[in-house]
Amino acid sequence: DAMVIQNPRYQVTQFGKPVTLSCSQTLNHNVMYWYQQKSSQAPKLLFHYYDKDFNNEADTPDNFQSRRPNTSFCFLDIRSPGLGDAAMYLCATSRDLGAGGPSNEQFFGPGTRLTVL
Amino acid sequence: GEDVEQSLFLSVREGDSSVINCTYTDSSSTYLYWYKQEPGAGLQLLTYIFSNMDMKQDQRLTVLLNKKDKHLSLRIADTQTGDSAIYFCAESTSGTYKYIFGTGTRLKVLA
Repeated sequence: DAMVIQNPRYQVTQFGKPVTLSCSQTLNHNVMYWYQQKSSQAPKLLFHYYDKDFNNEADTPDNFQSRRPNTSFCFLDIRSPGLGDAAMYLCATSRDLGAGGPSNEQFFGPGTRLTVL
Repeated sequence: GEDVEQSLFLSVREGDSSVINCTYTDSSSTYLYWYKQEPGAGLQLLTYIFSNMDMKQDQRLTVLLNKKDKHLSLRIADTQTGDSAIYFCAESTSGTYKYIFGTGTRLKVLA
């Protein structure tokens, strides 16, 4: 089945120790997104890639970076995790930005829960 | 700016209908979505509706849209314990990448 895969599902890191979360997709979608979701809150968009074009949200901290080496993979790098970065990180994909498309539908992965000690 | 609001909690008995409500402010919204999130999992798309529709039915799910009042609802018929989850509504506009999510409604189904 075509899907969005996130590894690992659970990640523990130490305060200040860089960590990388990964996402892959078999949907061949142009757009990939990273969201941060804290407990009992809505997902918050950090950034997205349209093909190789990176788009950062204005309020995303510099501590968060992303890489997309090819269509299938996208990585979230947290350079110096703080206690406030503990959250669920969700990757999503969509076929395109909706121009001419039917729905803008985003497909989500299962998420990676990050714990910062 | 754009805003999407939902009530935080809903509790129903198994077999009853559930109605989850959502209001939004962006009049240019083109698509409105309902997502389900089970504990520790990602978001699963349940259904969506175009803004030029009033209603959409999909098995046990009925979506009603009142565009004038910017009010969206999701009705789940014959609610089961497996429907216990958080339900998010979201809106987006054609040609943009961004979803605006509501805060989520936690549905608890009592046996």
